[in-house]
Amino acid sequence: GAVVSQHPSWVICKSGTSVKIECRSLDFQATTMFWYRQFPKQSLMLMATSNEGSKATYEQGVEKDKFLINHASLTLSTLTVTSAHPEDSSFYICSARAADWDLGNEQFFGPGTRLTVL
Amino acid sequence: GESVGLHLPTLSVQEGDNSIINCAYSNSASDYFIWYKQESGKGPQFIIDIRSNMDKRQGQRVTVLLNKTVKHLSLQIAATQPGDSAVYFCAESGGGTSYGKLTFGQGTILTVHP
Repeated sequence: GAVVSQHPSWVICKSGTSVKIECRSLDFQATTMFWYRQFPKQSLMLMATSNEGSKATYEQGVEKDKFLINHASLTLSTLTVTSAHPEDSSFYICSARAADWDLGNEQFFGPGTRLTVL
Repeated sequence: GESVGLHLPTLSVQEGDNSIINCAYSNSASDYFIWYKQESGKGPQFIIDIRSNMDKRQGQRVTVLLNKTVKHLSLQIAATQPGDSAVYFCAESGGGTSYGKLTFGQGTILTVHP
């Protein structure tokens, strides 16, 4: 149980286009989902916290108009990178925290999405 | 704070040896700590966690030690196997406004030689 999926697993796009990444909790409901970015040989950096039915909370330095987050249901959050540029190329990882207290406070991580902007 | 990890610490061990990976955390208000394993091109995988009211917790082949006095966390892996080769991250979570948010350490690359 407690599986999180991401789609797509990798994407290559042209500079200036927008890319949407989906994060789904497959077998549990997630009240909160988190989006992270990871550059090569670096750690995970939290970008934003997404609560179902409300606006996302962005970390300092993360442009909310650049990285649009929608958490429309308890099993789906989406991250849209708008007008992507090469410097947005990165590994984007989501995690989900369950609404079920039996699953505790743990965040369950997705497999990540590799974005390459040409 | 921001992680600057262009050169991650590395640890090389022989198969069968015990491994110890260390982590220093910065927030004295953090009350929940987790170790993750990340293989290349994949998301982090939960290994073991510990709350601040404990100083040691054991799992299968892994032990986490917490020293709150010096804000230090360590992960011990017994009888390390080639399949343990990965990047290991510690993460901390605190209360208050940062409740539930994880701050990751810079990571350590573990290489296990057969």
